[in-house]
Amino acid sequence: GEQVEQLPSSLIVQEGASVLINCSYTDSASVYFPWYKQEPGKRLQFIIDIRSNMERKQNQRLTLLFDKKTKHLSLHITATQPGDSAIYFCSASRGSGGNYKPTFGKGTSLVVHP
Amino acid sequence: EAAVTQSPRSKVAVTGGKVTLSCHQTNNHDYMYWYRQDTGHGLRLIHYSYVADSTEKGDIPDGYKASRPSQENFSLILELASLSQTAVYFCASTSGVSQNTLYFGAGTRLSVL
Repeated sequence: GEQVEQLPSSLIVQEGASVLINCSYTDSASVYFPWYKQEPGKRLQFIIDIRSNMERKQNQRLTLLFDKKTKHLSLHITATQPGDSAIYFCSASRGSGGNYKPTFGKGTSLVVHP
Repeated sequence: EAAVTQSPRSKVAVTGGKVTLSCHQTNNHDYMYWYRQDTGHGLRLIHYSYVADSTEKGDIPDGYKASRPSQENFSLILELASLSQTAVYFCASTSGVSQNTLYFGAGTRLSVL
């Protein structure tokens, strides 16, 4: 089955820094890649997604890059704030229908110090 | 916003006992999922369902059963709880039609002693 790997497992930065979270997957049939954020003690919440027919997507301070050839994604967060402190999860799936079985990476813990 | 409610929020169970975790969603979503979260393992899929009265095995189904009696409700059942099942359990749902983002519940922290 699909396997999703995230690196690094943790990041500690000062407020204002930019960070990069990398994600790779194994199943070439995966077509949809949403990312989620989990603040301490809270539920996971969707933050950004990309489909396999795209190379780049931006949402305010978040930029998601996708390379289908290398099966690699990277999430770039600019101008980090303490409120960005959370665990970030990459996920991959084949799409809708009975096969919709999202697989998650192990997460990247981000701590932003003021 | 999608509403997914889990109960209980936390539970202490004894080894060998039966545990039922419940999930209720009010957004007319067809797909529902149970994941467990462990430190160092991220989220792993236990069972899922895309229609009432039917469930599918996820990646780690051993030791768990699931029940989907209606579109709104999805339960996870541990018939004989074991120490290794101590974890945080998350329920999630999605429409599975166009935008397939998951809406998560707040989680259930289960401790098996």
